Amino acid sequence: GNSVTQMEGPVTLSEEAFLTINCTYTATGYPSLFWYVQYPGEGLQLLLKATKADDKGSNKGFEATYRKETTSFHLEKGSVQVSDSAVYFCALYNFNKFYFGSGTKLNVKP
Amino acid sequence: EPEVTQTPSHQVTQMGQEVILRCVPISNHLYFYWYRQILGQKVEFLVSFYNNEISEKSEIFDDQFSVERPDGSNFTLKIRSTKLEDSAMYFCASSGEGVWNTGELFFGEGSRLTVL
Repeated sequence: GNSVTQMEGPVTLSEEAFLTINCTYTATGYPSLFWYVQYPGEGLQLLLKATKADDKGSNKGFEATYRKETTSFHLEKGSVQVSDSAVYFCALYNFNKFYFGSGTKLNVKP
Repeated sequence: EPEVTQTPSHQVTQMGQEVILRCVPISNHLYFYWYRQILGQKVEFLVSFYNNEISEKSEIFDDQFSVERPDGSNFTLKIRSTKLEDSAMYFCASSGEGVWNTGELFFGEGSRLTVL
C-alpha cells in the first residue's frame, strides 16, 4: 500500500541552526512527493514538491530530494528562522490520491 | 490570491446531532476533497468529489457522512449523527489539475469539530 512516515516532533532549534525532518514512504508505482506547511491558525500550504526520482524540490530555503533507493524525501534547511515555526507534513500522491504523514512541529527560538 | 474558505472555524456539538461543515473551493477548480486530522494523528483522506459525484472515498467515510455541492460554489460535508470519535479538525481542499494531476492541493484553514 501507500503510506508516509515522518519523524515525530516537536523539533526545537535555535535560529540559524540546520534543520532536517525525516520522511520515508511506501508506495507502488511512481508517486509524487510533497512537503506541506501549516503556520499557526492557517491551512496547509504547499512548500515544495518532486515528481520523480532524483528530483530536488526547493522553496524559501527549504530543500528535499526524492530518493527512490532509500524511499525518502527528507526536508532540510541550512539556517532556520523564527518565522519557520510551523507544522510540516510530508505527503505522497499516487493514483489520484494523497497520503499524508502525521506532521512534525518545528519550534525555532530566537 | 484565491483561497479555500471554510466555516465554521470551530463547532461544538452533542453526540448524535447532525453537523454540516461548509467549504468554498477556489472558483475554477474541479476536484474537491475532505480530509480530517484527529489531534496528534495523521491527516486522513475522507472523500474526493469530481463532476458532481464522489470519485473516491475512504473506509472512514461511512453512511454517516455525505457530501454535496448544492449551488456550484459551496462544498459541504454532513455528518448525520455525530460520535465522540468524530472530534477532529476537518480540512477542505481543492485542485484544478486533470485526472492524473500531480498538482497542488489548496487547503482551507480547517473546521474544528468537538463532539461532547
